[in-house]
Amino acid sequence: DAMVIQNPRYQVTQFGKPVTLSCSQTLNHNVMYWYQQKSSQAPKLLFHYYDKDFNNEADTPDNFQSRRPNTSFCFLDIRSPGLGDAAMYLCATSRVRRGGNEQFFGPGTRLTVL
Amino acid sequence: AQKVTQAQTEISVVEKEDVTLDCVYETRDTTYYLFWYKQPPSGELVFLIRRNSFDEQNEISGRYSWNFQKSTSSFNFTITASQVVDSAVYFCALSEAGGGADGLTFGKGTHLIIQP
Repeated sequence: DAMVIQNPRYQVTQFGKPVTLSCSQTLNHNVMYWYQQKSSQAPKLLFHYYDKDFNNEADTPDNFQSRRPNTSFCFLDIRSPGLGDAAMYLCATSRVRRGGNEQFFGPGTRLTVL
Repeated sequence: AQKVTQAQTEISVVEKEDVTLDCVYETRDTTYYLFWYKQPPSGELVFLIRRNSFDEQNEISGRYSWNFQKSTSSFNFTITASQVVDSAVYFCALSEAGGGADGLTFGKGTHLIIQP
């Protein structure tokens, strides 16, 4: 089945220690998104890649970076995680087309910062 | 700026009752898209429906139905004969830019609890 895969599902890191979360997709969608979802809150868009073009949200901290080496993979790098970065990180994909583009989400990676 | 409001933080009903989840949105665009997602305890957001701003037809899918009213900027979701498996957090979301690559703006979600 075509899907969005996130690894790992649970990640524990130490305060200030860089961490990378990964996302892969078999849907061949041209857009990949990263959302941050804190406990009992709505997902918040961090950035997205439209093909190779990176689009950062204005309020995304510089501590968060992303890479998309190819169509299938996208990475979220947190350079110096703080306690406030503990959250669920959701990857989503979509195919840009007329008629609106629903996004398909992966299962998420729950990040704990010690 | 776009905004989605889900005023109901939590709803608890007994199984087999009907329940309606409210969603009110704000946007300046004339072309926009509305979505509902379900987030079960496992965490994955599951796509339920997409509706564009030009299509005000209500939609029914099994026990699920959606009522889109542009006059009141609302896109409400009704579950008929609720079941325990419907327990989840439900998010209403909005996308502008006419179907481009922009991300979704989510409401804060409604936690639906279906008691057996």
